Amino acid sequence: GENVEQHPSTLSVQEGDSAVIKCTYSDSASNYFPWYKQELGKGPQLIIDIRSNVGEKKDQRIAVTLNKTAKHFSLHITETQPEDSAVYFCAASIGFGNEKLTFGTGTRLTIIP
Amino acid sequence: EADIYQTPRYLVIGTGKKITLECSQTMGHDKMYWYQQDPGMELHLIHYSYGVNSTEKGDLSSESTVSRIRTEHFPLTLESARPSHTSQYLCASSGMVVYEQYFGPGTRLTVT
Repeated sequence: GENVEQHPSTLSVQEGDSAVIKCTYSDSASNYFPWYKQELGKGPQLIIDIRSNVGEKKDQRIAVTLNKTAKHFSLHITETQPEDSAVYFCAASIGFGNEKLTFGTGTRLTIIP
Repeated sequence: EADIYQTPRYLVIGTGKKITLECSQTMGHDKMYWYQQDPGMELHLIHYSYGVNSTEKGDLSSESTVSRIRTEHFPLTLESARPSHTSQYLCASSGMVVYEQYFGPGTRLTVT
């Protein structure tokens, strides 16, 4: 089955600086790579996703990149703000239908004011 | 804001008790999931359902059981709670797009 590795497990960044979280996956059949953000006391929430036919996707201060050849994808947060402090999960899925979603192990991001 | 609800939010219970964690969604999603989240953050899929009367065990072995007799309802039951069951339990649902899952706020279970 699919295996998703995520690094680092913890990350502290000065407010205003950029943060990068990296993931690798094992199953070359995976085509969808979502990122979830979990704030304290809440369940994870989808914040952005990228599909295998796209190399990069941006949404305001967050961007995701995908290197399908190397089987790795990354989340980039620019101009970090205190509200970016949370646990972030990457995930991989083959696609639609009844395939499961495989999550990475999570990164606890702390923004230092 | 996703329309998926979990009750109770917090539960402290003694060893040997039977408990049921409730999960309901109003989005009409066919697919529902239960995850166990350990203190190290990692999410472990313990049960999932692709529709009414369909339930499957997930990647992490669990002594809990689930049922799906209504589309909107996916309760999880522990027949005899033990301290090793202490954890955060998250319920989620998805429509056709499997990777777009909507999570409830979670139930934090403590078994003493």
